[in-house]
Amino acid sequence: GAVVSQHPSWVICKSGTSVKIECRSLDFQATTMFWYRQFPKQSLMLMATSNEGSKATYEQGVEKDKFLINHASLTLSTLTVTSAHPEDSSFYICSARTSIGTDTQYFGPGTRLTVL
Amino acid sequence: SQKIEQNSEALNIQEGKTATLTCNYTNYSPAYLQWYRQDPGRGPVFLLLIRENEKEKRKERLKVTFDTTLKQSLFHITASQPADSATYLCALNSGYSTLTFGKGTMLLVSP
Repeated sequence: GAVVSQHPSWVICKSGTSVKIECRSLDFQATTMFWYRQFPKQSLMLMATSNEGSKATYEQGVEKDKFLINHASLTLSTLTVTSAHPEDSSFYICSARTSIGTDTQYFGPGTRLTVL
Repeated sequence: SQKIEQNSEALNIQEGKTATLTCNYTNYSPAYLQWYRQDPGRGPVFLLLIRENEKEKRKERLKVTFDTTLKQSLFHITASQPADSATYLCALNSGYSTLTFGKGTMLLVSP
């Protein structure tokens, strides 16, 4: 149980284009989903916390207009990287909590974004 | 400033030995601490959670200790196997529902 999927698993795009990444909880309803970014040999950095039906809360230094997050249902959250640049190339990982009050987060397999 | 440090970037041990990984933190008062395993190019997989009022937690060959006085957690893998080779991340709750991760320790278990 508690399986989280991400799509696509990898994407290559041209500079200036937008890329959408989907995060789905497959066998549970996720009231809260999280988006992380991880650069090589670095720790996971939390970008934003997303609650179903409300606006995402972004961490300091993360541009909300560049990284658009939509949590339209209890099983789906999307991250759109707008006007992508090479410095946005990274490994993007989502996670989900099964319910309020649960401390464990279950992670998706990640999406490798390469911006040319 | 808040900091999470994992003892080393890489740890090499022989199969069958016990691997011990360290996680130290400063300027946090976490309610709990978690350990995850991450394989290359994959998302982290949850292993164990230990709360501030717990000293030790076990799960099969895994053992975690949590010393809030020393601000340290130790993660042990007994009878290690080559399949245990991966990066192990510790994470603290750094606010309501959010986690802050260490950089991880890469464990390599040689046959």
